[in-house]
Amino acid sequence: EAGVAQSPRYKIIEKRQSVAFWCNPISGHATLYWYQQILGQGPKLLIQFQNNGVVDDSQLPKDRFSAERLKGVDSTLKIQPAKLEDSAVYLCASSQELAGGRKQETQYFGPGTRLLVL
Amino acid sequence: AQSVTQLGSHVSVSEGALVLLRCNYSSSVPPYLFWYVQYPNQGLQLLLKYTTGATLVKGINGFEAEFKKSETSFHLTKPSAHMSDAAEYFCAVSPPGSGGYQKVTFGTGTKLQVIP
Repeated sequence: EAGVAQSPRYKIIEKRQSVAFWCNPISGHATLYWYQQILGQGPKLLIQFQNNGVVDDSQLPKDRFSAERLKGVDSTLKIQPAKLEDSAVYLCASSQELAGGRKQETQYFGPGTRLLVL
Repeated sequence: AQSVTQLGSHVSVSEGALVLLRCNYSSSVPPYLFWYVQYPNQGLQLLLKYTTGATLVKGINGFEAEFKKSETSFHLTKPSAHMSDAAEYFCAVSPPGSGGYQKVTFGTGTKLQVIP
Protein backbone atom coordinates (compact mmCIF):
# COMPACT_ATOMS: atom_id res chain seq x y z
CA GLU A 1 0.00 0.00 0.00
CA ALA A 2 1.45 3.35 -1.01
CA GLY A 3 1.89 5.89 1.74
CA VAL A 4 1.06 9.57 1.87
CA ALA A 5 2.88 11.41 -0.88
CA GLN A 6 4.01 15.02 -0.65
CA SER A 7 5.82 17.34 -3.01
CA PRO A 8 8.06 19.16 -3.20
CA ARG A 9 10.29 17.85 -0.43
CA TYR A 10 12.18 21.12 -0.10
CA LYS A 11 11.41 24.70 -1.08
CA ILE A 12 13.34 27.93 -0.60
CA ILE A 13 11.59 31.21 -1.34
CA GLU A 14 11.94 34.85 -0.44
CA LYS A 15 9.49 36.60 1.84
CA ARG A 16 6.38 37.94 0.14
CA GLN A 17 6.56 35.23 -2.53
CA SER A 18 3.92 32.56 -2.83
CA VAL A 19 4.33 28.81 -2.53
CA ALA A 20 2.16 25.73 -2.87
CA PHE A 21 2.46 22.24 -1.45
CA TRP A 22 0.76 19.12 -2.71
CA CYS A 23 -0.41 16.04 -0.86
CA ASN A 24 -1.87 12.76 -2.04
CA PRO A 25 -3.26 10.70 0.85
CA ILE A 26 -3.45 6.95 1.15
CA SER A 27 -6.05 5.60 -1.23
CA GLY A 28 -9.48 5.48 0.35
CA HIS A 29 -8.64 7.70 3.30
CA ALA A 30 -11.44 10.18 3.73
CA THR A 31 -9.76 12.46 6.24
CA LEU A 32 -6.77 14.63 5.35
CA TYR A 33 -4.78 16.88 7.66
CA TRP A 34 -2.19 19.60 7.14
CA TYR A 35 0.21 20.30 9.97
CA GLN A 36 2.89 22.93 10.46
CA GLN A 37 5.96 21.80 12.38
CA ILE A 38 8.29 24.61 13.37
CA LEU A 39 11.80 23.59 14.36
CA GLY A 40 11.88 22.37 17.94
CA GLN A 41 8.09 22.08 18.23
CA GLY A 42 5.46 19.44 17.74
CA PRO A 43 3.17 19.47 14.72
CA LYS A 44 0.34 21.97 14.87
CA LEU A 45 -2.87 21.27 12.98
CA LEU A 46 -3.61 23.86 10.32
CA ILE A 47 -6.62 22.35 8.61
CA GLN A 48 -8.56 19.09 8.49
CA PHE A 49 -10.70 17.89 5.60
CA GLN A 50 -13.38 15.22 5.62
CA ASN A 51 -13.67 14.24 1.96
CA ASN A 52 -13.79 17.66 0.26
CA GLY A 53 -15.26 19.55 3.20
CA VAL A 54 -13.37 21.49 5.86
CA VAL A 55 -13.85 20.12 9.38
CA ASP A 56 -11.46 22.37 11.29
CA ASP A 57 -9.44 25.34 10.10
CA SER A 58 -9.40 27.25 13.36
CA GLN A 59 -5.60 27.49 13.43
CA LEU A 60 -5.12 28.34 9.76
CA PRO A 61 -3.89 31.93 9.23
CA LYS A 62 -6.52 32.67 6.65
CA ASP A 63 -5.09 36.01 5.60
CA ARG A 64 -2.20 34.21 3.93
CA PHE A 65 -2.84 30.47 3.99
CA SER A 66 -5.39 28.58 1.93
CA ALA A 67 -6.06 24.93 1.27
CA GLU A 68 -8.35 22.95 -0.92
CA ARG A 69 -9.31 19.36 -1.58
CA LEU A 70 -11.60 19.79 -4.51
CA LYS A 71 -12.30 16.17 -5.44
CA GLY A 72 -11.90 14.74 -1.99
CA VAL A 73 -8.61 13.07 -2.84
CA ASP A 74 -5.41 15.10 -3.15
CA SER A 75 -4.96 18.49 -1.56
CA THR A 76 -3.00 21.70 -2.02
CA LEU A 77 -1.85 24.09 0.69
CA LYS A 78 -0.85 27.59 -0.42
CA ILE A 79 0.90 30.45 1.32
CA GLN A 80 0.61 33.92 -0.19
CA PRO A 81 2.52 36.04 0.71
CA ALA A 82 5.06 34.10 2.76
CA LYS A 83 6.64 35.49 5.91
CA LEU A 84 9.89 34.57 7.59
CA GLU A 85 7.99 32.86 10.41
CA ASP A 86 6.41 30.45 7.92
CA SER A 87 9.71 28.56 7.71
CA ALA A 88 8.77 25.09 8.88
CA VAL A 89 8.05 21.56 7.78
CA TYR A 90 4.55 21.12 6.41
CA LEU A 91 3.22 17.66 7.08
CA CYS A 92 0.26 16.01 5.46
CA ALA A 93 -1.50 13.10 7.10
CA SER A 94 -4.53 10.98 6.35
CA SER A 95 -6.80 8.57 8.18
CA GLN A 96 -9.65 6.24 7.36
CA GLU A 97 -13.29 6.67 8.14
CA LEU A 98 -14.55 3.56 9.85
CA ALA A 99 -17.99 2.01 9.80
CA GLY A 100 -20.68 4.15 11.32
CA GLY A 101 -18.81 7.38 10.61
CA ARG A 102 -16.22 6.80 13.30
CA LYS A 103 -12.79 8.24 12.70
CA GLN A 104 -9.74 6.05 12.78
CA GLU A 105 -7.47 7.04 15.62
CA THR A 106 -4.27 6.51 13.68
CA GLN A 107 -3.00 9.16 11.31
CA TYR A 108 -0.52 8.26 8.58
CA PHE A 109 2.02 10.94 7.79
CA GLY A 110 3.84 11.87 4.64
CA PRO A 111 7.54 12.83 4.63
CA GLY A 112 6.77 16.54 4.75
CA THR A 113 7.81 19.61 2.78
CA ARG A 114 10.59 21.66 4.33
CA LEU A 115 10.06 25.36 3.62
CA LEU A 116 12.68 28.02 4.15
CA VAL A 117 11.63 31.64 3.75
CA LEU A 118 14.52 34.09 3.32
CA ALA B 1 -8.74 21.89 26.36
CA GLN B 2 -6.42 18.95 26.04
CA SER B 3 -2.64 19.13 26.14
CA VAL B 4 0.45 17.01 26.65
CA THR B 5 3.73 17.84 28.35
CA GLN B 6 6.88 15.97 27.48
CA LEU B 7 9.52 16.23 30.16
CA GLY B 8 12.97 16.64 28.71
CA SER B 9 13.56 17.87 25.18
CA HIS B 10 16.71 15.73 24.95
CA VAL B 11 17.39 12.33 26.50
CA SER B 12 20.64 10.39 26.17
CA VAL B 13 21.00 6.71 26.98
CA SER B 14 23.70 4.14 26.42
CA GLU B 15 23.12 1.35 23.98
CA GLY B 16 21.47 -1.50 25.87
CA ALA B 17 20.15 0.73 28.65
CA LEU B 18 16.54 1.38 29.56
CA VAL B 19 14.73 4.04 27.58
CA LEU B 20 12.19 6.15 29.48
CA LEU B 21 10.48 9.08 27.79
CA ARG B 22 7.97 10.95 29.92
CA CYS B 23 4.59 12.28 28.90
CA ASN B 24 1.86 13.80 31.06
CA TYR B 25 -1.50 14.81 29.70
CA SER B 26 -4.22 17.21 30.67
CA SER B 27 -7.77 16.32 29.77
CA SER B 28 -11.16 16.56 31.42
CA VAL B 29 -11.91 12.94 30.50
CA PRO B 30 -9.61 9.97 29.86
CA PRO B 31 -8.33 10.69 26.37
CA TYR B 32 -6.84 8.68 23.58
CA LEU B 33 -3.04 8.77 23.78
CA PHE B 34 -0.38 8.18 21.19
CA TRP B 35 3.36 7.98 20.76
CA TYR B 36 4.81 8.81 17.37
CA VAL B 37 8.45 8.59 16.24
CA GLN B 38 10.08 10.86 13.69
CA TYR B 39 13.36 9.98 12.04
CA PRO B 40 15.37 12.77 10.40
CA ASN B 41 13.75 14.19 7.28
CA GLN B 42 10.78 11.86 7.59
CA GLY B 43 7.19 12.10 8.65
CA LEU B 44 5.79 10.77 11.90
CA GLN B 45 5.17 7.07 12.39
CA LEU B 46 2.83 5.64 15.00
CA LEU B 47 4.61 3.61 17.69
CA LEU B 48 1.60 2.75 19.83
CA LYS B 49 -1.71 4.06 21.03
CA TYR B 50 -4.07 3.76 23.97
CA THR B 51 -7.80 4.06 23.39
CA THR B 52 -9.62 1.76 25.80
CA GLY B 53 -9.01 -1.53 27.56
CA ALA B 54 -5.61 -2.72 28.78
CA THR B 55 -3.58 0.13 30.19
CA LEU B 56 -0.24 -1.40 29.20
CA VAL B 57 0.13 -0.96 25.49
CA LYS B 58 2.77 -2.65 23.39
CA GLY B 59 3.96 -1.09 20.16
CA ILE B 60 6.44 -1.61 17.41
CA ASN B 61 10.21 -1.93 17.82
CA GLY B 62 9.91 -3.22 21.39
CA PHE B 63 8.38 -0.05 22.84
CA GLU B 64 5.55 -0.02 25.34
CA ALA B 65 3.66 2.57 27.35
CA GLU B 66 1.36 2.45 30.34
CA PHE B 67 -1.68 4.66 30.80
CA LYS B 68 -1.87 5.75 34.43
CA LYS B 69 -5.02 7.73 35.04
CA SER B 70 -4.11 8.59 38.64
CA GLU B 71 -0.86 10.14 37.48
CA THR B 72 -2.21 11.47 34.16
CA SER B 73 0.83 9.91 32.53
CA PHE B 74 1.64 7.86 29.47
CA HIS B 75 5.39 7.25 29.66
CA LEU B 76 7.16 5.39 26.86
CA THR B 77 9.68 2.69 27.72
CA LYS B 78 11.95 0.18 26.06
CA PRO B 79 14.08 -2.25 28.09
CA SER B 80 17.18 -2.05 25.92
CA ALA B 81 18.08 0.85 23.64
CA HIS B 82 19.37 0.21 20.15
CA MET B 83 21.29 2.62 17.98
CA SER B 84 18.40 2.64 15.53
CA ASP B 85 16.12 4.10 18.23
CA ALA B 86 17.81 7.48 17.91
CA ALA B 87 15.02 9.76 16.73
CA GLU B 88 12.52 12.31 18.00
CA TYR B 89 9.50 11.03 19.86
CA PHE B 90 6.18 12.82 20.16
CA CYS B 91 3.42 12.16 22.64
CA ALA B 92 -0.05 13.13 21.46
CA VAL B 93 -3.59 13.28 22.84
CA SER B 94 -7.05 13.36 21.32
CA PRO B 95 -10.56 13.36 22.77
CA PRO B 96 -12.12 9.93 23.23
CA GLY B 97 -15.26 8.75 21.53
CA SER B 98 -16.33 7.48 18.20
CA GLY B 99 -18.31 10.41 16.91
CA GLY B 100 -17.24 13.50 15.11
CA TYR B 101 -13.70 14.31 14.17
CA GLN B 102 -10.66 13.82 16.32
CA LYS B 103 -8.29 16.70 16.90
CA VAL B 104 -4.88 15.45 17.90
CA THR B 105 -2.63 17.69 19.98
CA PHE B 106 1.08 16.93 19.93
CA GLY B 107 3.71 17.54 22.55
CA THR B 108 6.92 19.39 21.80
CA GLY B 109 8.93 16.22 21.33
CA THR B 110 11.88 14.48 22.96
CA LYS B 111 15.03 13.78 21.00
CA LEU B 112 16.55 10.47 21.98
CA GLN B 113 20.29 10.04 21.59
CA VAL B 114 21.75 6.54 21.91
CA ILE B 115 25.40 6.43 22.87
CA PRO B 116 27.42 3.42 21.69
